[in-house]
Amino acid sequence: AQRVTQPEKLLSVFKGAPVELKCNYSYSGSPELFWYVQYSRQRLQLLLRHISRESIKGFTADLNKGETSFHLKKPFAQEEDSAMYYCALTFQGGSEKLVFGKGTKLTVNP
Amino acid sequence: SAVISQKPSRDICQRGTSLTIQCQVDSQVTMMFWYRQQPGQSLTLIATANQGSEATYESGFVIDKFPISRPNLTFSTLTVSNMSPEDSSIYLCSVAPHRNEQFFGPGTRLTVL
Repeated sequence: AQRVTQPEKLLSVFKGAPVELKCNYSYSGSPELFWYVQYSRQRLQLLLRHISRESIKGFTADLNKGETSFHLKKPFAQEEDSAMYYCALTFQGGSEKLVFGKGTKLTVNP
Repeated sequence: SAVISQKPSRDICQRGTSLTIQCQVDSQVTMMFWYRQQPGQSLTLIATANQGSEATYESGFVIDKFPISRPNLTFSTLTVSNMSPEDSSIYLCSVAPHRNEQFFGPGTRLTVL
């Protein structure tokens, strides 16, 4: 069965500090990994996906198949990055349904 | 992109009753999903609703408890039947107008007393 693990429920950093939100997955096939973000009083939205190899709002994430990880990183956190972050997985050739991790609440302090 | 609205945004219901949640999309989409987010938990997929076919339910969810309608390509409803306090959750619909991105509604916050 597919599973996504986000070990940190809460993460607090200071503005300007690097931040890394951890995500590990369990899936025997070829997964597609995503990070979704939910800012306060806003709906859940896509932040980035591994196949695009993109950087959004300064965030990057690299899929490491050997370690089955997809950690989200940003070198210099900003206060507006404070939000709930969810790692999610779907599988290639599947029905697009997403399996979510439990989420990490990131707080960036001034 | 796709813009999704849900009704109601929140409700407080008595146990044993049923609530129907509506999901409206501003464009035609084939795949629509219903998720549940219980307090302090992650999002869990309830079912996939494609127009013109029966909804596909995930393990642990059954049609009698969560009947779904999908009458056209822009609309779906999820009914939470015979509610108990354990059904208190946020219910979200989402759509996948193209591969590799889902758009989510604002959610319906349900409290069952």
